[in-house]
Amino acid sequence: AAGVIQSPRHLIKEKRETATLKCYPIPRHDTVYWYQQGPGQDPQFLISFYEKMQSDKGSIPDRFSAQQFSDYHSELNMSSLELGDSALYFCASSARGVSPETQYFGPGTRLLVL
Amino acid sequence: QKEVEQDPGPLSVPEGAIVSLNCTYSNSAFQYFMWYRQYSRKGPELLMYTYSSGNKEDGRFTAQVDKSSKYISLFIRDSQPSDSATYLCAITNDYKLSFGAGTTVTVRA
Repeated sequence: AAGVIQSPRHLIKEKRETATLKCYPIPRHDTVYWYQQGPGQDPQFLISFYEKMQSDKGSIPDRFSAQQFSDYHSELNMSSLELGDSALYFCASSARGVSPETQYFGPGTRLLVL
Repeated sequence: QKEVEQDPGPLSVPEGAIVSLNCTYSNSAFQYFMWYRQYSRKGPELLMYTYSSGNKEDGRFTAQVDKSSKYISLFIRDSQPSDSATYLCAITNDYKLSFGAGTTVTVRA
């Protein structure tokens, strides 16, 4: 079965640079979530989109922005990168209206900021 | 205080033992209770979900929810080395998952 696709899988950036992470949800899933997971920590919710509109916002820094496109894929844009942004970034997708609405996670993008 | 509390362990058991994992939560409005398994450097994988008090079995895995105590558990019977992973409880009410810290489990062959 098709899963959530994330690209790139690994990314190395320097401080103050920008990064763009991409997420392709499972086909027919209309909701995308972004999470950040630091070493030894649980995933922290950043932001979510439903039908291309932002549906919820968590602990996403102002330096980050995201959007969902007409084909339901999503991009997380990160600017003025800091060392503390080094983490695993997961995207999850779900089908709204399906009860319960279970989220399926992608393999993650490992970001290293030097 | 986090919405979901989970003992991070680590937990080490011999092969064949029963693994017992649990979480507590604070918001009684939570409706759905899930367990995810995460292997090192991989994304969380949904194991089981339940929405009512009681037990739910799926093979070697049993999820248990006690809404009156705000307590959820996952039991793994006949544990295998391949069960070695981090197990995260997750609770949701309005589409946003609240995760526990995750318990790292090692099953020794």
